Amino acid sequence: EDKVVQSPLSLVVHEGDTVTLNCSYEVTNFRSLLWYKQEKKAPTFLFMLTSSGIEKKSGRLSSILDKKELFSILNITATQTGDSAVYLCAASGIQGAQKLVFGQGTRLTINP
Amino acid sequence: GAVVSQHPSRVICKSGTSVKIECRSLDFQATTMFWYRQFPKQSLMLMATSNEGSKATYEQGVEKDKFLINHASLTLSTLTVTSAHPEDSSFYICSATRTDYEQYFGPGTRLTVT
Repeated sequence: EDKVVQSPLSLVVHEGDTVTLNCSYEVTNFRSLLWYKQEKKAPTFLFMLTSSGIEKKSGRLSSILDKKELFSILNITATQTGDSAVYLCAASGIQGAQKLVFGQGTRLTINP
Repeated sequence: GAVVSQHPSRVICKSGTSVKIECRSLDFQATTMFWYRQFPKQSLMLMATSNEGSKATYEQGVEKDKFLINHASLTLSTLTVTSAHPEDSSFYICSATRTDYEQYFGPGTRLTVT
């Protein structure tokens, strides 16, 4: 059975800190790994990773995929209170018409 | 950008009634739409995959007679929760994909069954 596991489940840090969120996956015929940020409503897309070792960056956020060890990390530097959210990791396989398997999410709280 | 809307955003209904939720891709034609359910403090659980003009594919454990999915066009899919019960109260989210495999999520519908 395909599965995605995130850690930690919850993280509380101070504004300005750097955080690393982890995601490991076991997906048949893996195709891509995606990161989403969820605040009060539906998830918003952050990154899609398909190749190993290539960092994707957007402002203070960056992510990288390791297809050999089957994991990905999401880094957030110089955190701000607006970064507080649940961060979801999802993996898709070639089969299953882009079906995504989601991890449990990491609830990140940034205290001022 | 790709925009997906859902209607209604919030609905309260009595136990035993049916509720229909619409999911629309506003500025693109969606090859596939997905329906998810999310309970409080839990992740998104895929309920079904919907392709235009064909029957939906349901995930294991999801009752297809209870959660009716209709995908009438490339921009509209509907989820009807039939004979709703309090345990069906949840956040229902749809997503739509184009050919680039990226999923665009709707804003979600919060269903409360009393």
